[in-house]
Amino acid sequence: DTAVSQTPKYLVTQMGNDKSIKCEQNLGHDTMYWYKQDSKKFLKIMFSYNNKELIINETVPNRFSPKSPDKAHLNLHINSLELGDSAVYFCASSYREQQYFGPGTRLTVT
Amino acid sequence: QQQVKQSPQSLIVQKGGISIINCAYENTAFDYFPWYQQFPGKGPALLIAIRPDVSEKKEGRFTISFNKSAKQFSLHIMDSQPGDSATYFCAASPNYGGATNKLIFGTGTLLAVQP
Repeated sequence: DTAVSQTPKYLVTQMGNDKSIKCEQNLGHDTMYWYKQDSKKFLKIMFSYNNKELIINETVPNRFSPKSPDKAHLNLHINSLELGDSAVYFCASSYREQQYFGPGTRLTVT
Repeated sequence: QQQVKQSPQSLIVQKGGISIINCAYENTAFDYFPWYQQFPGKGPALLIAIRPDVSEKKEGRFTISFNKSAKQFSLHIMDSQPGDSATYFCAASPNYGGATNKLIFGTGTLLAVQP
């Protein structure tokens, strides 16, 4: 009965590869987000989708492309991975202002 | 430019003591102020939140104090327990009126409650 789930939990890959992270929420929320948490634990929003429509697109390299096939899913595809992409990526969903986070995906680029 | 400033960076409190974490913001358009608790290896979990029309909100051992004129808000954890040891983040977001809500996070406070 997990509310917001992400796969995989860990992702180790080499520079230059392309990878995807998947997110699903079963809360019935219309809005979903991707956040990045860096090595200093700083959390920053990357994208927000409402009912499959992109609403927030922060200054994120265009190597990052979110995709929302339906309002319960929001995936993140990353092209040409760089060392600086190593971080924990969190998916979240919201009802009005209350945001609920997934368990995170720790991405390590070597 | 850090829109939400959080202090201290780390905090050690004895069991049963009061933990206090402070945040300050600059953007007067912010009108929703949540606190999140994050345990190692987990996602942030919403703890308590406040809107600027009230000066205090209490839920169990957790209290938010809000000072609109000073643009500051703080989290007080009463009777702190070792299980409260975690990283705490304050956050803020602008006027909610649209379909989404952009949270701006503070830099986090690592709380350790000693038994």
